[in-house]
Amino acid sequence: EVLLLESGGGLVQPGGSLRLSCAASGFHFTTYAMSWVRQAPGKGLEWVSSVSGGGGNTYYAESVRDRFTISRDNSRTTLFLQMNALRAEDTAIYFCAKDYCSGTSCVNDYWGQGTLVTVSS
Amino acid sequence: QSALTQTASVSGSPGQSITISCSGTSSDVGGYNVVSWYQQHPGKAPKLIIYEDTKRPSGVSNRFSGSKSGSTASLTISGLQAEDEADYHCCAYAGSRFRLFGGGTKLIVL
Repeated sequence: EVLLLESGGGLVQPGGSLRLSCAASGFHFTTYAMSWVRQAPGKGLEWVSSVSGGGGNTYYAESVRDRFTISRDNSRTTLFLQMNALRAEDTAIYFCAKDYCSGTSCVNDYWGQGTLVTVSS
Repeated sequence: QSALTQTASVSGSPGQSITISCSGTSSDVGGYNVVSWYQQHPGKAPKLIIYEDTKRPSGVSNRFSGSKSGSTASLTISGLQAEDEADYHCCAYAGSRFRLFGGGTKLIVL
């Protein structure tokens, strides 16, 4: 059974930092790219960032580029998201998700339950 | 890029069929086999129900079907059931791991 368990969310002041973690199990972690997707309160989903299976290739939404850093530790089957210079608009539930890529597209076939990040003074 | 456009809410009675639409551009929704759909119950994680425009993952009911015409994708749910009440999100893959979501559609089962 695929399990993804996020942690590290909480309340942080504007301009502050937070590091999210996602512990993965139930699949061969190294084989798959992983992503972070967020959902602001009462809003739709927003893709944030993805990392390749080996960790060497990273991808970011424009809204978080240069502030957020995605990484993974394959020896510990854990995904991370380092978030710096946080803004009020970063307030959201952050979901960790496993990628499934076919020849034409990538989707997220398994999701964690999410961790809430609140940016407020 | 702007989010894909979805109707805010749709409703139907048990047993009926409903369709949720998702509009984009030729650069996203209009791409080849790039649209997916997710179901999300309140307080829960999204669940993949359609990928590559029309395919269903193993275990997803065949009451869910996807289609596309040009830059508009559609999700049809037939034989509506109470447990189908949820938010539905469309998504278009635009390459280089970038994916664009819609604003979500709330399905109300009357």
